[in-house]
Amino acid sequence: DGGITQSPKYLFRKEGQNVTLSCEQNLNHDAMYWYRQDPGQGLRLIYYSQIVNDFQKGDIAEGYSVSREKKESFPLTVTSAQKNPTAFYLCASRRTGGLSKNIQYFGAGTRLSVL
Amino acid sequence: AQKITQTQPGMFVQEKEAVTLDCTYDTSDQSYGLFWYKQPSSGEMIFLIYQGSYDEQNATEGRYSLNFQKARKSANLVISASQLGDSAMYFCAMRISASKIIFGSGTRLSIRP
Repeated sequence: DGGITQSPKYLFRKEGQNVTLSCEQNLNHDAMYWYRQDPGQGLRLIYYSQIVNDFQKGDIAEGYSVSREKKESFPLTVTSAQKNPTAFYLCASRRTGGLSKNIQYFGAGTRLSVL
Repeated sequence: AQKITQTQPGMFVQEKEAVTLDCTYDTSDQSYGLFWYKQPSSGEMIFLIYQGSYDEQNATEGRYSLNFQKARKSANLVISASQLGDSAMYFCAMRISASKIIFGSGTRLSIRP
């Protein structure tokens, strides 16, 4: 089945620790996205990538880093510089051509908590 | 400024009734798109329906329809014959560029049996 896989489902971070959230897609989509969702709120864009080896900052990129070495993978690292990392993180992907090019499809999310 | 507003934090509806979830948007662009996503308690965002700003017909997908009123800048979601499984958070979103979309704060819909 085609889809977007995020792992782990739950993640705990200690003070001063970097953690990496995984996002893999087998939809052959060119563009990938990371969003943060805080309780009772909508999604805010952290980073996005439209092509391998290229990515752009979103609205809340501070304290986060990404890489896009393969089309299928777009990992997000939450660094120690992110002082309030507790949130639900969602990865999405999108085709960049064709009839459904505007639609972003999402993974099941990773819930990050600070110990 | 580009913005999505959902004014209903929560709604209760009886099973099998129709329900309308409100969404207004603000943009000065001529080309944009509007989405609705469903987020059940599991957390995954599920795409429901999309309307392009140049589409003349209202979008429909099964029990979902998008009531697009361009002059009023509204894009309400209508769910016909609601089911218990429709209980979830619903987010309205707008495409603001070729690659970016912004989200509203959501409406929690609860279906009563």
